[in-house]
Amino acid sequence: DVKVTQSSRYLVKRTGEKVFLECVQDMDHENMFWYRQDPGLGLRLIYFSYDVKMKEKGDIPEGYSVSREKKERFSLILESASTNQTSMYLCASSSTVANYGYTFGSGTRLTVV
Amino acid sequence: RKEVEQDPGPFNVPEGATVAFNCTYSNSASQSFFWYRQDCRKEPKLLMSVYSSGNEDGRFTAQLNRASQYISLLIRDSKLSDSATYLCVFSLRNDMRFGAGTRLTVKP
Repeated sequence: DVKVTQSSRYLVKRTGEKVFLECVQDMDHENMFWYRQDPGLGLRLIYFSYDVKMKEKGDIPEGYSVSREKKERFSLILESASTNQTSMYLCASSSTVANYGYTFGSGTRLTVV
Repeated sequence: RKEVEQDPGPFNVPEGATVAFNCTYSNSASQSFFWYRQDCRKEPKLLMSVYSSGNEDGRFTAQLNRASQYISLLIRDSKLSDSATYLCVFSLRNDMRFGAGTRLTVKP
């Protein structure tokens, strides 16, 4: 069974902390994505990557950065966490060759206090 | 205009009912279309792709109307287990855009 694994299910961090969210996929997918999901706003794209060491800004990149040093791993970094970054964060991956949609990780619910 | 628009609902229907959701998209260059299902506090999961000719998977029928730029999802004989939020999705190459979701509750 193919999988996208996010390192934490729940996180509580303090304002100003640097936060790392990790995502690993075992499907050899080229594409990886980070979204945040908030009530009434749906999924909003933060960053995505089509290849190792490659990254592109999504719709709401401010306050975030990413790292993709290996094909299977895509990390989201909150440089200085703020309360408005409290959200559900979802990682997804997809194949360039076969467009069967995204496979999502189970999400990380981040609370910044 | 939003890229993807869905009626947020909620749709409350009795078991056995037929329910339909529509979703409009603004980018005419959209290439692929999907419906995802998301249960409470869970990640979205692919329900079905939407093909130009329309397609069916059991009780679920998806249709695409490129001229009017919308997709639809029809659920027949609703089950309690169909209660979830349904997200419409379109993609341009490898970049997918999600609607905010339509919430469905099926009641006994």
